[in-house]
Parts: sequence; C-alpha cells; structure tokens
Amino acid sequence: SAVISQKPSRDICQRGTSLTIQCQVDSQVTMMFWYRQQPGQSLTLIATANQGSEATYESGFVIDKFPISRPNLTFSTLTVSNMSPEDSSIYLCSFTRGAATDTQYFGPGTRLTVL
Amino acid sequence: AQSVTQPDIHITVSEGASLELRCNYSYGATPYLFWYVQSPGQGLQLLLKYFSGDTLVQGIKGFEAEFKRSQSSFNLRKPSVHWSDAAEYFCAVEGQGNLIFGKGTKLSVKP
Repeated sequence: SAVISQKPSRDICQRGTSLTIQCQVDSQVTMMFWYRQQPGQSLTLIATANQGSEATYESGFVIDKFPISRPNLTFSTLTVSNMSPEDSSIYLCSFTRGAATDTQYFGPGTRLTVL
Repeated sequence: AQSVTQPDIHITVSEGASLELRCNYSYGATPYLFWYVQSPGQGLQLLLKYFSGDTLVQGIKGFEAEFKRSQSSFNLRKPSVHWSDAAEYFCAVEGQGNLIFGKGTKLSVKP
C-alpha cells in the first residue's frame, strides 16, 4: 500500500499568519482529500483536491480561507490563511486509488495550534 | 442526509475482556461502512470495511464488525482486548463520495 506523509507534523502559529501543510503520497493516486479534526471532535471534510483544477469545497469552507493545490497525482497542499485560535485543529489528508467511494487512507495529520 | 452515531463517548475495559463498540448509521441506500482507529498523536488507520456480501467482516488486529441492515448498525468487536488497543475509534459511512464520520469512541484499557 502507498505511504502518505504530511509536513509539518505540528506547528504553533500566531494569529493572523498563514500555514501551508504538505501531503505527499509515494505513488500516484486518484483522489486526495483534506479533513479537519477539531479538538475532541470527529473529522470534517474540508475539500477534495482536484489535480490540475480548483478544489471542491464542502459547505462551510471557502477557498480564500483554505486554498488548496494539487499540481500532480502524488502531492497536495492545504493553506490555512489568516489564522485564528478557532483554527487550532488536526488537519489530515487522505487518498483513494479509485473513485471517491473507495477506501480512504489517511496521513498522520498536522497538529496546528494558533495562539 | 447521511449520518453516523457512536453512542459511547468513552469506554473502559479490562485487558483480556471482550469489546463491542457501537455504530448506527443513517443512509438511504446500501452503505459503504468503515471503522478507523486513531492512536494518540497518530493519523487514522483503517481497521475494516464493508461494501457488500458477507455481513461479518474481518479486519486487522483481530477486530471484526457485523453489518445489520435491520438495525442500521455496524458494531465493532474484539474477543480479547490488548493494552495496545487503547485509542479512539471512528465509524464512518460513505455518502455521495464523502466519508461521514461519527464522533468517535475513546477506548481505555485497564491492566
């Protein structure tokens, strides 16, 4: 199975700054996704990262706040912009090898704390 | 709309005891169902999945789950819990191309 990694694994950031999280899969995959897991909560899908085109965002998430790139079939980035303490969460990327309905495999997550 | 309910927020079992974690879902068609485990500071690891066929699904680490359509349930079981099973467990249903997660059940294991 593919190996999926995220950088950074954790960060502490100041209010008003932005952080870009990288997600790398060691082989080509079809679908890539970004999730947020707020403290003590479950996972919520932010968006589907589409290769070569704009990401597809879920209700409540917008591109200006969470710009996403996916330049190829193995790599994606999520930026958390103009951060506030409410953005403190774990951010996880995931992938499937086929359709979105296939099994999703998750990265180790990025733990973000905003002061 | 699809939803997943995990009624138990926190469960504590003794090492060697049996375990059952509950999951109920709401979905109009035949669901795709998953159980994931998240160890402290780690990402999510897939334990098992149900797409179709045999309603008793075997997973990794000795876990199994049974799909019961009449009860809209997909409960996770393990006959003998090990201390290393202490983690948070998430049930999820695939709906319209998205994974919808329950709020999770935290499992603590007593020696």
